[in-house]
Amino acid sequence: GPKVLQIPSHQIIDMGQMVTLNCDPVSNHLYFYWYKQILGQQMEFLVNFYNGKVMEKSKLFKDQFSVERPDGSYFTLKIQPTALEDSAVYFCASSLARNTEVFFGKGTRLTVV
Amino acid sequence: GDSVTQTEGLVTLTEGLPVMLNCTYQTIYSNPFLFWYVQHLNESPRLLLKSFTDNKRTEHQGFHATLHKSSSSFHLQKSSAQLSDSALYYCALRGEEGSSGNKLIFGIGTLLSVKP
Repeated sequence: GPKVLQIPSHQIIDMGQMVTLNCDPVSNHLYFYWYKQILGQQMEFLVNFYNGKVMEKSKLFKDQFSVERPDGSYFTLKIQPTALEDSAVYFCASSLARNTEVFFGKGTRLTVV
Repeated sequence: GDSVTQTEGLVTLTEGLPVMLNCTYQTIYSNPFLFWYVQHLNESPRLLLKSFTDNKRTEHQGFHATLHKSSSSFHLQKSSAQLSDSALYYCALRGEEGSSGNKLIFGIGTLLSVKP
């Protein structure tokens, strides 16, 4: 079936440094999402992105977070600067249209030390 | 705000026994969509079932669920567990058509472990 690829699968970063999480969404999809899952908690919506713009973001999407998809390449989540509480698994997802099936990647485990 | 509750963190079953994973929800929407996602080890969460029709059973790959708006429930069932069903199961909620984007509200997940 359609696959969303996330690179890398694990990343360890020093607190205060910048990190970029990369996502290769399903090729013809137009809507992109990031979800955050802290260990032992549920996956929580961060942001959705369409036509080069953030459509909606949650309160978890701090000012230090940004997303972009330059020229149809990777959909990225950048955190600058990172904080200890950013340690989590970040899931990227995509869908063809606004209310169609959402496909998820395997997640990137981010550890901020 | 909207929320999804999965009361069991871990369900351990013997192969061949029936499966029931609980899911209840709270929402402001009159016509929400409910979903079950399954995540096998080292895999992505993938859609297993979805429904928005009250009291209508939906089935896929041997699993079934019925959305009951009267009790705000969407329990996942299977008549006979298989070893390959061992996975993490997430119940999720989305607002009705026309509501904000495609934001999914997830439960905490239930780990199903099927033993021989």
